Amino acid sequence: SQKIEQNSEALNIQEGKTATLTCNYTNYSPAYLQWYRQDPGRGPVFLLLIRENEKEKRKERLKVTFDTTLKQSLFHITASQPADSATYLCALVLTISGGSYIPTFGRGTSLIVHP
Amino acid sequence: EPEVTQTPSHQVTQMGQEVILRCVPISNHLYFYWYRQILGQKVEFLVSFYNNEISEKSEIFDDQFSVERPDGSNFTLKIRSTKLEDSAMYFCASSEYGVNEQFFGPGTRLTVL
Repeated sequence: SQKIEQNSEALNIQEGKTATLTCNYTNYSPAYLQWYRQDPGRGPVFLLLIRENEKEKRKERLKVTFDTTLKQSLFHITASQPADSATYLCALVLTISGGSYIPTFGRGTSLIVHP
Repeated sequence: EPEVTQTPSHQVTQMGQEVILRCVPISNHLYFYWYRQILGQKVEFLVSFYNNEISEKSEIFDDQFSVERPDGSNFTLKIRSTKLEDSAMYFCASSEYGVNEQFFGPGTRLTVL
């Protein structure tokens, strides 16, 4: 069966450390992968996109890697701050017949950055 | 900064009633989406809309659901004959270039009693 797995347990880290979140998937062949941030009661906010032929993408303190052999993406936040505390969602974007794209989300991992 | 807006923020309805959820996408965006998120669950794709027609829909988006762009600014999701299990947050999203970078609205919390 097709699955997207993100750590269900919250990740607790100290301010200033690097947070690393994992997204594993099985039985999908995504065209690309996205990461979103979601705060309680709010809509997801797009952070980064990485394509299947890219290994790494960076944006300010954020870095995403994508290993299509391992079927895994890692999301890093360097120099983490309490304001980074949120749930982070990965979404696989699948190409379907006709050339359309469908995003399929994982359940997300909660990050808590302690001062 | 432009943003997607949704109304109402919270809708309470009786089982069997029809509801219309409204969204105003970002003005120069061409692609529109609806998602739902049942409390504590993942975000689920419902439907995408481009060029005044549905481009894709999920298994969830059955005959109970319909979407419409009644004018140049609004994008609506109609849910007919609501069921208890329709209770969820419904998010509208829009984008300029497909699913590459979607902007989500704040959501409408639908509660079916």
